[in-house]
Amino acid sequence: DIQMTQSPSSLSASVGDRVTITCQASQDISNYLNWYQQKPGKAPKLLIYDASNLETGVPSRFSGSGSGTDFTFTISSLQPEDIATYYCQQYDNLTTFGQGTRLEIK
Amino acid sequence: QVQLVESGGGVVQPGRSLRLSCAASGFTFSSYGMHWVRQAPGKGLEWVAVIWYDGSNKYYADSVKGRFTISRDNSKNTLYLQMNSLRAEDTAVYYCARGAVAGTGLDAFDIWGQGTMVTVSS
Repeated sequence: DIQMTQSPSSLSASVGDRVTITCQASQDISNYLNWYQQKPGKAPKLLIYDASNLETGVPSRFSGSGSGTDFTFTISSLQPEDIATYYCQQYDNLTTFGQGTRLEIK
Repeated sequence: QVQLVESGGGVVQPGRSLRLSCAASGFTFSSYGMHWVRQAPGKGLEWVAVIWYDGSNKYYADSVKGRFTISRDNSKNTLYLQMNSLRAEDTAVYYCARGAVAGTGLDAFDIWGQGTMVTVSS
């Protein structure tokens, strides 16, 4: 099974800050990596697919990069509505989610 | 609009069974692979099972293999999850989700239902 390790597990930042979350796969997954946002009491929402492609309708302040085993998710300028938990997901071998990163406003 | 609506959750005793349903609308259900994903209270997302667009292939997480069965009825635009021999650790919100690219479903999950809560307790 492929393990996905996200870091940090929680993060506190100020409005306007640049925020970065990393996700490491236990083996090479090419670019088969997606990022989701989940707000409390809501279903997850797809933000980034295939490591770096922005889902339709998602603000351009969100971006993703990486390939192989190391991936990065970035919010270029944090907004109050971005408070949520973020998950990475691999689909190279079935599918596995990272443990999540809880993002809070400082 | 494109929508997934889960139903069938509730409180069930350990060892008993429950069947969840996920009604799809607004897209050609029979063209897409479909998944079940669960989330225990206060925990992260755990993938449970996938079924290909035509039902020809099914795969499960090790934690549910042999106890849960995913199925679909393309004539009714409905996905199912039959859960047998339920355990306390199966307590979670269960979401159905669509694979973004038509076919196997092994890609991004672009559409999610609102979730249905399953509580396993005596």
